[in-house]
Amino acid sequence: EPEVTQTPSHQVTQMGQEVILRCVPISNHLYFYWYRQILGQKVEFLVSFYNNEISEKSEIFDDQFSVERPDGSNFTLKIRSTKLEDSAMYFCASSEGVGNQVGETQYFGPGTRLLVL
Amino acid sequence: AQKVTQAQTEISVVEKEDVTLDCVYETRDTTYYLFWYKQPPSGELVFLIRRNSFDEQNEISGRYSWNFQKSTSSFNFTITASQVVDSAVYFCLWGAGNMLTFGGGTRLMVKP
Repeated sequence: EPEVTQTPSHQVTQMGQEVILRCVPISNHLYFYWYRQILGQKVEFLVSFYNNEISEKSEIFDDQFSVERPDGSNFTLKIRSTKLEDSAMYFCASSEGVGNQVGETQYFGPGTRLLVL
Repeated sequence: AQKVTQAQTEISVVEKEDVTLDCVYETRDTTYYLFWYKQPPSGELVFLIRRNSFDEQNEISGRYSWNFQKSTSSFNFTITASQVVDSAVYFCLWGAGNMLTFGGGTRLMVKP
């Protein structure tokens, strides 16, 4: 069964460093998403991406964040200058993106646990 | 703004008991979707069900059943004859555009 994959599974970085989290969405899906879950808190939407541009983004997704689809399979989240409060589990998701895209089922990857020291 | 509330932060049951996880949502949208996802200890988010706002039919899938009541803005999830493998955090979600809004989750612990 096709699934969303994410690398790395864990990443430790120093405050102020740049990190890139990678995701490979399900191959025929057209919509991609990033969410984050700070330990003990709710899962929060960061951004959605369609047709090589951001479709929606939350208030959390400020200038230090960026997303990219560098090739036909990868979808990346870059955090330019990490802060302690960026420590969280980051989930990538994808959905089919065909027809009426309202409330499509999103399939999530296993997550990348980011720890900023 | 839409909001999803899962009032039960943690539930503990003994194997074979039935358990209902509550979900209440707030929205002004007339067209929206509701979801349940499971997050086992390994951490991934596993899709369980999606319902649209116009379909209030209850659904049963094996030991799982869902009760959607628009009049009370609730979308409750029942596990019948719970098993230890059901132990996980369960999230109720709301979606109308591309963004999914998560509830806070209910941690279910099923003891043998």
